[in-house]
Amino acid sequence: EAGVAQSPRYKIIEKRQSVAFWCNPISGHATLYWYQQILGQGPKLLIQFQNNGVVDDSQLPKDRFSAERLKGVDSTLKIQPAKLEDSAVYLCASSFGLAETQYFGPGTRLLVL
Amino acid sequence: KNEVEQSPQNLTAQEGEFITINCSYSVGISALHWLQQHPGGGIVSLFMLSSGKKKHGRLIATINIQEKHSSLHITASHPRDSAVYICAAHFGGSNYKLTFGKGTLLTVNP
Repeated sequence: EAGVAQSPRYKIIEKRQSVAFWCNPISGHATLYWYQQILGQGPKLLIQFQNNGVVDDSQLPKDRFSAERLKGVDSTLKIQPAKLEDSAVYLCASSFGLAETQYFGPGTRLLVL
Repeated sequence: KNEVEQSPQNLTAQEGEFITINCSYSVGISALHWLQQHPGGGIVSLFMLSSGKKKHGRLIATINIQEKHSSLHITASHPRDSAVYICAAHFGGSNYKLTFGKGTLLTVNP
């Protein structure tokens, strides 16, 4: 069974630029999560989708971050404009349903200069 | 406030030693996860438990609901066990989102 796919794996941008990350969850998984993990900390949930609907985006900085999962399958997370403090690993995870085991992708490492 | 605390932050052991990593949480939970993250790698789910004990190979996870505490044990540790171990809790609510601890960096020396 294929795992959660993410791209790109690494990205370096300058502050105020835009960046987008892509995630393809495990086939059949209804729930998709985007996490931000700053070095030395645990992951922080940015947004959670159930199919193509948003379940929780309470910690998403909506003035600069946006995410969509239009067809309820793959998802994109965008940052516009980026700030230095956005440097982190962005992890995508999926699960069959709520409260099920989450499967994580390899993450995208973002460096904002 | 929903919080998850892990200890120790860093742990160094010799190959073969028995290892314990602790996790405590602030209020009642519906489930607790233990996850493993290798340097530069993704995160792998090790256990999800809501009561009692689970075992997989050399890994054992226990939870005490009354004391709001969980432990992850590794028996006969090996250098390949070196990783960050993260505890995460479902505090309930309709979205079942996870709140993560900061992780414990384990280094097992040969």
